[in-house]
Amino acid sequence: EPEVTQTPSHQVTQMGQEVILRCVPISNHLYFYWYRQILGQKVEFLVSFYNNEISEKSEIFDDQFSVERPDGSNFTLKIRSTKLEDSAMYFCASRDRGDTGELFFGEGSRLTVL
Amino acid sequence: GDSVTQMEGPVTLSEEAFLTINCTYTATGYPSLFWYVQYPGEGLQLLLKATKADDKGSNKGFEATYRKETTSFHLEKGSVQVSDSAVYFCALAYTGRRALTFGSGTRLQVQP
Repeated sequence: EPEVTQTPSHQVTQMGQEVILRCVPISNHLYFYWYRQILGQKVEFLVSFYNNEISEKSEIFDDQFSVERPDGSNFTLKIRSTKLEDSAMYFCASRDRGDTGELFFGEGSRLTVL
Repeated sequence: GDSVTQMEGPVTLSEEAFLTINCTYTATGYPSLFWYVQYPGEGLQLLLKATKADDKGSNKGFEATYRKETTSFHLEKGSVQVSDSAVYFCALAYTGRRALTFGSGTRLQVQP
């Protein structure tokens, strides 16, 4: 069964360092998303991406964040200069063209900023 | 803004017990409502959904009814199993805008 895969599963970094989280969405999907969940808190929307551009972003997604689809398969989230409060589980999701409302999520990448 | 509120967890039940996980929402319009489930070590999976008032979503023995009058979408199951142990997330989204707004999640632990 097709699935969304994310790497790394866990990354530990020093404050101020750049981090890139990688996602491989389901191959025929067209819409891509990043969400995050700070421990014990809600799953929060960060950004959605369609047709090689950002279609929507939340107030969390500031200039420190960027997304890219560098090739036909990967979808990346870059945090330019990590802060302690960026420590969270980051989830990638994708969906196909249909309007079923179902997003398919990866298992998440846990980011720990020290 | 829109928001989703879920009951605090963990919810601990014995096998075959009845489950209710409460979910209420605040929305400016008429969103679709969803329940997602996250099993240990896995990503979030859609469990069920309802797209308009009075719709009932159901899957794997779970049910939830979209109640506009009480702005609720409570998840129920008549007889839980150990394999239902997971974190359950209530969420909403508007047609055409696919950014889901999630609740904080409720952990369910089912004991044999």
